[in-house]
Amino acid sequence: ETGVTQTPRHLVMGMTNKKSLKCEQHLGHNAMYWYKQSAKKPLELMFVYSLEERVENNSVPSRFSPECPNSSHLFLHLHTLQPEDSALYLCASSQGLRQETQYFGPGTRLLVL
Amino acid sequence: QQQVKQSPQSLIVQKGGIPIINCAYENTAFDYFPWYQQFPGKGPALLIAIRPDVSEKKEGRFTISFNKSAKQFSLHIMDSQPGDSATYFCAASLPHQDNYGQNFVFGPGTRLSVLP
Repeated sequence: ETGVTQTPRHLVMGMTNKKSLKCEQHLGHNAMYWYKQSAKKPLELMFVYSLEERVENNSVPSRFSPECPNSSHLFLHLHTLQPEDSALYLCASSQGLRQETQYFGPGTRLLVL
Repeated sequence: QQQVKQSPQSLIVQKGGIPIINCAYENTAFDYFPWYQQFPGKGPALLIAIRPDVSEKKEGRFTISFNKSAKQFSLHIMDSQPGDSATYFCAASLPHQDNYGQNFVFGPGTRLSVLP
């Protein structure tokens, strides 16, 4: 295991539902990330948090709302998603922001019906 | 200009073969080039990384070759094993800037199958 856990591992939701993805890192890192991984597409960086402050937001639709209450936890709140949002959502963490190795969690497989 | 192109999309080799995965980039400001390995049901894990000041880096059976003038880099897996079957992603990163996170750009991935 990498020290980064994600829950749930699988999620099926309707377009009108509200759900949250949770990520927890046990590595003492101070930067955390959300990525979207779709089939046959490159990993897409969604959000970056450093010391609980959002430092990067790559034009992600507002139906995705991140929250970082402390340096060990990261949430991704989902509401009124579209079927094209179905993907694997990966959380990662690193020690600092200087091109440090990112440690990924196993991901949450999301299906939007 | 922020893209990283990766080929082939998939690759099948026999055990003991030397699969080669190629990546190319445009932005000369990239200065860190990691490779990630992803097994089914797992997140990507760092395999090996290189900076542009060296032309080759070897770690165990994995070697990165880097051609700065051509803006290309490749991953070679020596004596490949069935356990190497996974998806491999190249990536490129810009230098750290104050108040901004890492800006990793990933290639689309190569699915490698090593037959026994």
